[in-house]
Amino acid sequence: DTGVSQDPRHKITKRGQNVTFRCDPISEHNRLYWYRQTLGQGPEFLTYFQNEAQLEKSRLLSDRFSAERPKGSFSTLEIQRTEQGDSAMYLCASSFDTPLGTDTQYFGPGTRLTVL
Amino acid sequence: KNEVEQSPQNLTAQEGEFITINCSYSVGISALHWLQQHPGGGIVSLFMLSSGKKKHGRLIATINIQEKHSSLHITASHPRDSAVYICAVKDYGQNFVFGPGTRLSVLP
Repeated sequence: DTGVSQDPRHKITKRGQNVTFRCDPISEHNRLYWYRQTLGQGPEFLTYFQNEAQLEKSRLLSDRFSAERPKGSFSTLEIQRTEQGDSAMYLCASSFDTPLGTDTQYFGPGTRLTVL
Repeated sequence: KNEVEQSPQNLTAQEGEFITINCSYSVGISALHWLQQHPGGGIVSLFMLSSGKKKHGRLIATINIQEKHSSLHITASHPRDSAVYICAVKDYGQNFVFGPGTRLSVLP
């Protein structure tokens, strides 16, 4: 399977714990995006990387959230001191930057986080 | 006012009907995407548009840049088309803004 993969698919944690999610993009893709989706809502943009550089970070993202893409391949999203409001589906997508600046994003299956 | 709006929010159709889902946006964009999300949560990109019209099987997507409006049409709808259809626009700052989605149910 050469699509976008995410791990774990489901995570249940207690409030106050730290969690880390991993995303493996399509191998030749240089852009990687993180989104959050709560039940019944459309996805919300969180952050994106061009290679290993984090170029944009949503103002919705609190300081408890941090993302890395150390080698420009896989990415991790860490949430510290989780709160019940962090319960959501965390989606990763990747794309290849073109000279036209437009790209098709390919989404992973998501990691569903439940904070008790 | 949301930057991306979709209508209708919910749509129920009989199998075989022609379906239209609309998307309006208020920002300047470099591209617009139509996405399909199935009940299990997986998201599939259907179309990326920056102008004109695209067709793929029974799906047709159009965009009018001047009017800041796009439509997704499904011809000869089928129950397996039941999903949430999301319009997402990409602004010039490379951010994606997603619409709230349209929940489509196609009844046999």
